[in-house]
Amino acid sequence: DGGITQSPKYLFRKEGQNVTLSCEQNLNHDAMYWYRQDPGQGLRLIYYSQIVNDFQKGDIAEGYSVSREKKESFPLTVTSAQKNPTAFYLCASSGDSDSYEQYFGPGTRLTVT
Amino acid sequence: QKEVEQDPGPLSVPEGAIVSLNCTYSNSAFQYFMWYRQYSRKGPELLMYTYSSGNKEDGRFTAQVDKSSKYISLFIRDSQPSDSATYLCAMNGLSGSARQLTFGSGTQLTVLP
Repeated sequence: DGGITQSPKYLFRKEGQNVTLSCEQNLNHDAMYWYRQDPGQGLRLIYYSQIVNDFQKGDIAEGYSVSREKKESFPLTVTSAQKNPTAFYLCASSGDSDSYEQYFGPGTRLTVT
Repeated sequence: QKEVEQDPGPLSVPEGAIVSLNCTYSNSAFQYFMWYRQYSRKGPELLMYTYSSGNKEDGRFTAQVDKSSKYISLFIRDSQPSDSATYLCAMNGLSGSARQLTFGSGTQLTVLP
């Protein structure tokens, strides 16, 4: 059953703690993306990766970090430097180099208090 | 001004109605246009994908692109309660990575039985 998995579905953390969100895909897609979704603001791009061991900052990368050591995995770390980390985080992937279609995982709801 | 504008709604219609959802955009370089459906607390699901101007039909859904007016639409015929969701438009980004998408903020639709 191909797709994108994100875990956990809900995550609670205390302010000042780093937290890592998992994203795995078995679609054999080259590109992977992390978005943040806040009410009324649509999706904003945090980081993306077109190939293993390479990634680029999106529009709101400050306070976040990523790694891409394997094609299937693109974990996102929300650091204590992120001022407003509470949000719904979405991971996506897209296929070959000619594809603009992105496919999303189910999301992780992060709450920081 | 945002690159992509989308009326947030909420929009309520009776079952069986024709629904029209719209986005406007400011950048004439956008060429690829997508519509996503997002159920509450879930990841977006790709519904329609069109390139340049014209219409594309898939079952009860029709996507329309008018590049001269910088205006895209999604029509849903014979709407069903299961169509109740937030609909996001998206279009391809520009220089840097051609695979980046710019999203509208979403329109919340409720189809009443």
